[in-house]
Amino acid sequence: AQTVTQSQPEMSVQEAETVTLSCTYDTSESDYYLFWYKQPPSRQMILVIRQEAYKQQNATENRFSVNFQKAAKSFSLKISDSQLGDAAMYFCAYRSAAGNQFYFGTGTSLTVIP
Amino acid sequence: DAMVIQNPRYQVTQFGKPVTLSCSQTLNHNVMYWYQQKSSQAPKLLFHYYDKDFNNEADTPDNFQSRRPNTSFCFLDIRSPGLGDAAMYLCATSPRWAPRDTQYFGPGTRLTVL
Repeated sequence: AQTVTQSQPEMSVQEAETVTLSCTYDTSESDYYLFWYKQPPSRQMILVIRQEAYKQQNATENRFSVNFQKAAKSFSLKISDSQLGDAAMYFCAYRSAAGNQFYFGTGTSLTVIP
Repeated sequence: DAMVIQNPRYQVTQFGKPVTLSCSQTLNHNVMYWYQQKSSQAPKLLFHYYDKDFNNEADTPDNFQSRRPNTSFCFLDIRSPGLGDAAMYLCATSPRWAPRDTQYFGPGTRLTVL
């Protein structure tokens, strides 16, 4: 069975600094999609960034980038120039290419220190 | 603004008393999902609708049912809530059943079972 593991329940970062959130996953499939979602306190979850497994190039969205290591089944999120609004729970998620399997990790709570 | 709305945000019910949670969307998306998120755990997919086609996850208890009377609305019925069903229930939508599609989440309904 596919699983998604986020080994850091909590992380903190100074404002304007860089932080990396870790995610590993287990799958026997070669084609799949990986996501990072952000859930601010008392607000809805929103997509931060997406990576297609067949693409070697790491996805980037403004201050957010990923380090996708397919062989190692690792998918970390780097947040550069951290802002107070980045404080949230971050979930890593896996979805199979067929779409019928979708798993979230347990989340990492990020605190941004002014 | 187009969005996913969940009502109520907080729901209290008694052990064994049926409860219905509501989700509506103005995005006109074909797919609607229900997730259960227990404290400090990963969101877990319960089921989804692709248009009117209902798809139950294999390990979703029979106690959980869903209805989708039209494109905009989807309901989660818990027939006989147990203490273990206390959780945040998240509704999400996506345009298609395509694994790379972003899911758009509502703010969630927090269910308390007394």
